[in-house]
Amino acid sequence: EVQLLESGGGLVQPGGSLRLSCAGSGFIFSTYAMTWVRQAPGKGLDWVSTISGSGAGTAYADSVKGRFSMSRDNSKNTLYLQMNSLRADDTAVYYCASVQGRQLDYWGQGTLVTVSS
Amino acid sequence: DIQMTQSPSSVSASVGDRVTITCRASQDISSWLAWYQQKPGQAPNLLIYAASSLQSGVSSRFSGSGSGTDFTLTISNLQPEDFATYYCQQAKTFLWTFGQGTKVEIQ
Repeated sequence: EVQLLESGGGLVQPGGSLRLSCAGSGFIFSTYAMTWVRQAPGKGLDWVSTISGSGAGTAYADSVKGRFSMSRDNSKNTLYLQMNSLRADDTAVYYCASVQGRQLDYWGQGTLVTVSS
Repeated sequence: DIQMTQSPSSVSASVGDRVTITCRASQDISSWLAWYQQKPGQAPNLLIYAASSLQSGVSSRFSGSGSGTDFTLTISNLQPEDFATYYCQQAKTFLWTFGQGTKVEIQ
């Protein structure tokens, strides 16, 4: 059974940093591109970033480019999202998801990031 | 960036009804479109990919159609478990974008 488990969310002050993790199991982690998608409270889905299976390629939404960095450790079956210079509008539930083709076939349960003073 | 516009933003329907949700892309995305269902407090769930391919394990009451800029998700014989919010997602480029969502509510 495929499982994705996010962790690392919490309350952080504006301008602060946070690192999210996503542990994958039940599939060959290194062969799948992975994605982070976020959802602000009561709002829709917002694509954040995608990383290739090898980790060599990444893509970011303009809203996070230069502030967020996505990486992965395939030896640990773990995905990361380093978030710096956090702003109030980064407040959201952050989901990791596996990429099958061009769609997101498995999702984690999400981790809440709250940016507030 | 490619913008995705869903309509309606919400729809009220009854069990047994047929519901149609549309999604329009700001430019030609061929068939690079997926549909997701999200229930309150849960992660999204993939329903349809490549505009019309049904994801494994998803009820055949869900169907998708369209290509280019105009797409449709149809839910036939609406069931109580189908009341949720539905999102389209374009994947022509890896700068993915989602529609704003359509909430299917009980009438």
